[in-house]
Amino acid sequence: DTEVTQTPKHLVMGMTNKKSLKCEQHMGHRAMYWYKQKAKKPPELMFVYSYEKLSINESVPSRFSPECPNSSLLNLHLHALQPEDSALYLCASTPSAGGALPEQYFGPGTRLTVT
Amino acid sequence: ELKVEQNPLFLSMQEGKNYTIYCNYSTTSDRLYWYRQDPGKSLESLFVLLSNGAVKQEGRLMASLDTKARLSTLHITAAVHDLSATYFCAVARNTDKLIFGTGTRLQVFP
Repeated sequence: DTEVTQTPKHLVMGMTNKKSLKCEQHMGHRAMYWYKQKAKKPPELMFVYSYEKLSINESVPSRFSPECPNSSLLNLHLHALQPEDSALYLCASTPSAGGALPEQYFGPGTRLTVT
Repeated sequence: ELKVEQNPLFLSMQEGKNYTIYCNYSTTSDRLYWYRQDPGKSLESLFVLLSNGAVKQEGRLMASLDTKARLSTLHITAAVHDLSATYFCAVARNTDKLIFGTGTRLQVFP
């Protein structure tokens, strides 16, 4: 298995809803990432998990809450989002963390719309 | 602060023509990545350039890295419509972070 999977593909939620995005990889990778990408912009790093511990939080608002239950799974819990949070959310993974950054493998993304 | 700039931001080119996309970055790094993104889709890895002078080629695309000039190029040879996409370069900062360039949206027309 050489891919990163993300569910759901599309999500529409109201500003009072709570929802979660899921990312999974079975490549034995030990670092996992969440990115946010607005239309016609580059991806922006949100969080990095290294060996299942949160290693980087790019000053992301608390309405986004990451979770890494095990080395294969990464969740992003969403609560009280704003319309400007509508974007493509990408998950990525790399074989290892620390040292020289190896290639990142990206999932297909979740298209989120906040109404 | 590491900044990564690409130019041009938008490129419209005729099939069969050659062109180069430039990626400049502001601080030292010896690892640079090129990705392709189709509209509404995820990022596809094209090249990983690991050292000064590195050159890699795949089909009609060739990427190079000059770490002294802090410059990478993505050269397109004899463009075809299937190459239409947005191309991003990205530079590693520290050990866990990729900083992406602004992106170049390429359109190839007949």
